[in-house]
Amino acid sequence: GNSVTQMEGPVTLSEEAFLTINCTYTATGYPSLFWYVQYPGEGLQLLLKATKADDKGSNKGFEATYRKETTSFHLEKGSVQVSDSAVYFCALRDNQGGKLIFGQGTELSVKP
Amino acid sequence: DAGITQSPRHKVTETGTPVTLRCHQTENHRYMYWYRQDPGHGLRLIHYSYGVKDTDKGEVSDGYSVSRSKTEDFLLTLESATSSQTSVYFCAISMDSSGNTIYFGEGSWLTVV
Repeated sequence: GNSVTQMEGPVTLSEEAFLTINCTYTATGYPSLFWYVQYPGEGLQLLLKATKADDKGSNKGFEATYRKETTSFHLEKGSVQVSDSAVYFCALRDNQGGKLIFGQGTELSVKP
Repeated sequence: DAGITQSPRHKVTETGTPVTLRCHQTENHRYMYWYRQDPGHGLRLIHYSYGVKDTDKGEVSDGYSVSRSKTEDFLLTLESATSSQTSVYFCAISMDSSGNTIYFGEGSWLTVV
């Protein structure tokens, strides 16, 4: 079945460092791909998405490109801030019922 | 915010008691989902609904049942709560089953003692 694998955390960075969180997927067809962010004690918020190959999703300085050839959707940000500290989830939209299949989540901690 | 209300937000219950979590939406979205979140497992789907009275199982459905008698409400019931069901439960909604965004509620923290 479909699955998502993302790099394990926690990831600790200094403010203004470059961020990459790796995400790869296994799927039949070409599902839509998503990154969600979860701040402490809160629900999940959509960060960005891409619905077809070579699409680039972007929001709040974060970017991710849908790479069909490497089945990847890596999250990047050029300069992280303390306020970016959160847990990040990569997910794909399954064609059965449209459910989201999530990776395990990567906790990011940004130090001043 | 996507117009999703979960209740209760926090609950402590005893092993063996029934518990019902409610998800209410004001968006008239067709699809609704219940997930649980546990450390090391990310979010896992319990059940979902694709319309009134239309539901299906997810990957961790054992010990849970759901009902959807109205578009706006999706209920998750633990018939006889166990300690392994201590978790954070998230409701989610979507307009369709393809590329549109799935929106999440704020979560319900359930502790079974």
